[in-house]
Amino acid sequence: KQEVTQIPAALSVPEGENLVLNCSFTDSAIYNLQWFRQDPGKGLTSLLLIQSSQREQTSGRLNASLDKSSGRSTLYIAASQPGDSATYLCAVTHFGNEKLTFGTGTRLTIIP
Amino acid sequence: DAGVIQSPRHEVTEMGQEVTLRCKPISGHNSLFWYRQTMMRGLELLIYFNNNVPIDDSGMPEDRFSAKMPNASFSTLKIQPSEPRDSAVYFCASSSRVRSGSYNEQFFGPGTRLTVL
Repeated sequence: KQEVTQIPAALSVPEGENLVLNCSFTDSAIYNLQWFRQDPGKGLTSLLLIQSSQREQTSGRLNASLDKSSGRSTLYIAASQPGDSATYLCAVTHFGNEKLTFGTGTRLTIIP
Repeated sequence: DAGVIQSPRHEVTEMGQEVTLRCKPISGHNSLFWYRQTMMRGLELLIYFNNNVPIDDSGMPEDRFSAKMPNASFSTLKIQPSEPRDSAVYFCASSSRVRSGSYNEQFFGPGTRLTVL
């Protein structure tokens, strides 16, 4: 059974700093990995999708990397802003099943 | 595009009552997912459909839960009878699956916050 872990559970960073969020998964036979953000009381906003054949994806200040063999992904946020404060979730799919298996999330706070 | 639409946004009901949650996926998307989020268990898939056909319902807790997708633009998740432990946020998501084995980005609705007293 796939298990997805995100450590740390919470992170506080001063505004302007670059930061990295971590995601680990136990079964490396994934199809793709998706990063989301969730604001309090809101739904999930998709940030980036990485296919298993890709090493990284970039969108603006965000860069997600994937090392499938080691079961790890990172989300790099450059020049953090208070608006980046949210909970960040990673999730994976497997061949033959579209369902997302979610990580435990990292609650990020950017300190002005 | 309006995105994934869910209704109601909030539902408060008493134990034993029937609850129906509704979802309209993004136009053109052919996969629809129902997830549940709780503090204890995080986000978990309940059921998903592809081309209106249920593909994986292994996450449906028990017979009290049922889901239907009568057409490409509408789905319901029904709980009957509801119990306090069903209190959670229920999310609907959709994606476009171009071909077998090709899974695309999932887009989530705002969720329905269900409270069962």
